[in-house]
Amino acid sequence: DVQLQESGPGLVKPSQSLSLTCTVTGYSITSDYAWNWIRQFPGNKLEWMGYISYSGSTSYNPSLKSRISITRDTSKNQFFLQLNSVTTEDTATYYCASLTGPWFAYWGQGTLVTVSA
Amino acid sequence: ENVLTQSPAIMSASPGEKVTMTCRASSSVSSSYLHWYQQKSGASPKLWIYSTSNLASGVPARFSGSGSGTSYSLTISSVEAEDAATYYCQQYSGYPLTFGAGTKLELK
Repeated sequence: DVQLQESGPGLVKPSQSLSLTCTVTGYSITSDYAWNWIRQFPGNKLEWMGYISYSGSTSYNPSLKSRISITRDTSKNQFFLQLNSVTTEDTATYYCASLTGPWFAYWGQGTLVTVSA
Repeated sequence: ENVLTQSPAIMSASPGEKVTMTCRASSSVSSSYLHWYQQKSGASPKLWIYSTSNLASGVPARFSGSGSGTSYSLTISSVEAEDAATYYCQQYSGYPLTFGAGTKLELK
């Protein structure tokens, strides 16, 4: 069974970078699928942030394009989110999820990141 | 960006009642690319219905989905207490991928 688990700091200061890791078990991230970051704001709005595909290509939400980077470590079966120059508006629960075809079949449990001084 | 508008934002139903919630897209979405997720409080979203009308594994048969073009719906034929949750639609027809704001189903 495919499982995803987010990890990273729960508190980030404004203007700093947010860095999260998604560890995937039960499936190789180089076999297939696109590996995504999705966030859910207070109030529950869901925003797709971007993905890194099994081949290493990336796609980002234009609303974030200048601040976001998604990379991976295939030896550890992990992929990463870096979001630069964060503000309090980046406070959200961050999920990693697999896009298995045109839908998100597997999700991590989510990690709350608060941006605050 | 294809904006998905869900209605109602909140609905209340009694056990046994039939309910329908809708998802309207600002641009046409292929029926293969419109999906629904269920999210309960404190949990991550779960794929619930994919490609308009296909139930994900483990989803009870009282759920159904339909629609085409810019208008889609999720129906529960006879609501049960365990169905209390927020339901989100999602489109894959164009990037960025987008979600609706959700319909929260409350049980009376």
